[in-house]
Amino acid sequence: QVQLQESGPGLVKPSGTLSLTCAVSGGSISSSHWWSWVRQPPGKGLEWIGQIHLGGSTSYSPSLRPRVTISVDTSNNQFSLSLNSLTAADTAVYYCARHNAFSFDYWGRGTLVTVSS
Amino acid sequence: EIVLTQSPGTLSLSQGERATLSCRASQSVSGSFLTWYQQKPGQAPRLLIYGASTRATGIPDRFSGSGSGTDFTLTISRLEPEDFAVYYCQLYDNSAYTFGQGTKLEIK
Repeated sequence: QVQLQESGPGLVKPSGTLSLTCAVSGGSISSSHWWSWVRQPPGKGLEWIGQIHLGGSTSYSPSLRPRVTISVDTSNNQFSLSLNSLTAADTAVYYCARHNAFSFDYWGRGTLVTVSS
Repeated sequence: EIVLTQSPGTLSLSQGERATLSCRASQSVSGSFLTWYQQKPGQAPRLLIYGASTRATGIPDRFSGSGSGTDFTLTISRLEPEDFAVYYCQLYDNSAYTFGQGTKLEIK
């Protein structure tokens, strides 16, 4: 059973950079070609942030593209998210997820990131 | 960018009743790219239906999906206590993913 686990700071300062890692266990990150990040502000809906292919290709949400970078580390079975120029609006639970065709079949439990000074 | 609009925002029903949730796209889409998720408080979303009508592994057959073009429906034939949750539809389009705003299914 594939498991995903997000890790990173729970509190970051405004104008700073959020850096999260998603560790994949119970299987190889090569089990799927695509991996994504999704976020959910408290009490609100889901927002897709971006995706990465094992080969390194990426695509991002148009609204976040200027601030987002997703990378993959196949040797350590993980992938990462970097989001800069943070504001309070970036406060959310951040999920990593595995793609299955055009859906997400495995999700991490999520990690709350609060943007505050 | 295609917008997904879910209705109703909140649906109040009793255990054993039938639930019908709607997801409307702002333009015609392929059903192959339409997915439904269930999310309970404090949990990650759970994949229910993909390709508009195919149940994911382990999903009970009381859950069914249908639709085409711009209108898609998630139906729960007989509500069980564990079905009360928030449901999201999601679309893949032009190398990006979009979610609807969600429908909260609550106990009446």
